[in-house]
Amino acid sequence: EAQVTQNPRYLITVTGKKLTVTCSQNMNHEYMSWYRQDPGLGLRQIYYSMNVEVTDKGDVPEGYKVSRKEKRNFPLILESPSPNQTSLYFCASSLVSGGFGYTFGSGTRLTVV
Amino acid sequence: GENVEQHPSTLSVQEGDSAVIKCTYSDSASNYFPWYKQELGKRPQLIIDIRSNVGEKKDQRIAVTLNKTAKHFSLHITETQPEDSAVYFCAASKRGNQFYFGTGTSLTVIP
Repeated sequence: EAQVTQNPRYLITVTGKKLTVTCSQNMNHEYMSWYRQDPGLGLRQIYYSMNVEVTDKGDVPEGYKVSRKEKRNFPLILESPSPNQTSLYFCASSLVSGGFGYTFGSGTRLTVV
Repeated sequence: GENVEQHPSTLSVQEGDSAVIKCTYSDSASNYFPWYKQELGKRPQLIIDIRSNVGEKKDQRIAVTLNKTAKHFSLHITETQPEDSAVYFCAASKRGNQFYFGTGTSLTVIP
């Protein structure tokens, strides 16, 4: 089944403890992206990647890192999480950047205390 | 970059009535306009999209219209049902570029 797999679905952590949210797609998509969703703010892009080893900042990149060493994987790294990073995170992929619809992962609800 | 505005932010309709959600965009080079539906606690899912060489597209009870001159596009849902209740997002993009999302419309269909 074609899908974007995110893990974990739920995560509670403490301030400053490094964490990684994994994202993997099995559709051979070139374009992958991370969004955070907060009430009243819609979907805000954190980072995106147009292809392997090509990543770029979105609208809200502060406090996040990403890597794209393989086409299928695009992990999101929070080196030192803070409470303002408590949010719902979605990974998404598309055949190419723009021009085709996204497939979203099932989301990761992160709480930083 | 592109700027996408979406209205209204909330919309309530009686079951069986129609619902219309409107989006405007700023970059005349944008040529792909998808709509996503997000049910409570779930991921956004693509429900319909339109490209700039088409003025209207229909899929059963949903349709999207595009006015390139005015730079706006709209989602139309006819004969609304309670299961249409969700948050709807519009987006605009062009090949080789990012997606730009609207801020979402929370649609409630009242039985």
